[in-house]
Amino acid sequence: AQRVTQPEKLLSVFKGAPVELKCNYSYSGSPELFWYVQYSRQRLQLLLRHISRESIKGFTADLNKGETSFHLKKPFAQEEDSAMYYCALNGQGAQKLVFGQGTRLTINP
Amino acid sequence: NAGVTQTPKFQVLKTGQSMTLQCAQDMNHNSMYWYRQDPGMGLRLIYYSASEGTTDKGEVPNGYNVSRLNKREFSLRLESAAPSQTSVYFCASSEYAVSYNEQFFGPGTRLTVL
Repeated sequence: AQRVTQPEKLLSVFKGAPVELKCNYSYSGSPELFWYVQYSRQRLQLLLRHISRESIKGFTADLNKGETSFHLKKPFAQEEDSAMYYCALNGQGAQKLVFGQGTRLTINP
Repeated sequence: NAGVTQTPKFQVLKTGQSMTLQCAQDMNHNSMYWYRQDPGMGLRLIYYSASEGTTDKGEVPNGYNVSRLNKREFSLRLESAAPSQTSVYFCASSEYAVSYNEQFFGPGTRLTVL
């Protein structure tokens, strides 16, 4: 079975502080993992995917197969990072995503 | 391009009433999806359509039906609404190829069942 767990429903940090949103997954094969973000009054959109190994808006995420984690990190949080963040998994050959419960990130000035 | 559009944006129903949520995409994507979003539960897949002419159940299909009308349109029907179906509903589409491709989401429909 495929499962994604985001242990923090709410996360609040101050502007300029580092931020880490946790994501753990359960899947026996080689997963594809993603982070989606939903800013206030905007649509849910892709932030980054592990295959691309890219940094978007200063965020990075590394797939750790040993710990089955895909945590999202940013060294210096900005107020515009306040949003709802979802971690998602796509299993091999599946044409659908499994989403985590989401973490609401608030950046305080 | 409008991307993924959904109608209506808001709806209030009484228990037992029926309604259809409409979704259309103009990106020529093969795959379309319906999710519900509830606080603390995240996004849960209701139904999906990997390609025109096919539909499959997701994680929470009970109480819903879907129709893939054509490549562009994918509707979600509640035959007899219940308060437990109060939620925000999102439609999404993607072009599934050899490897997974990005899902594009609609703006959502906020449904309240009294």
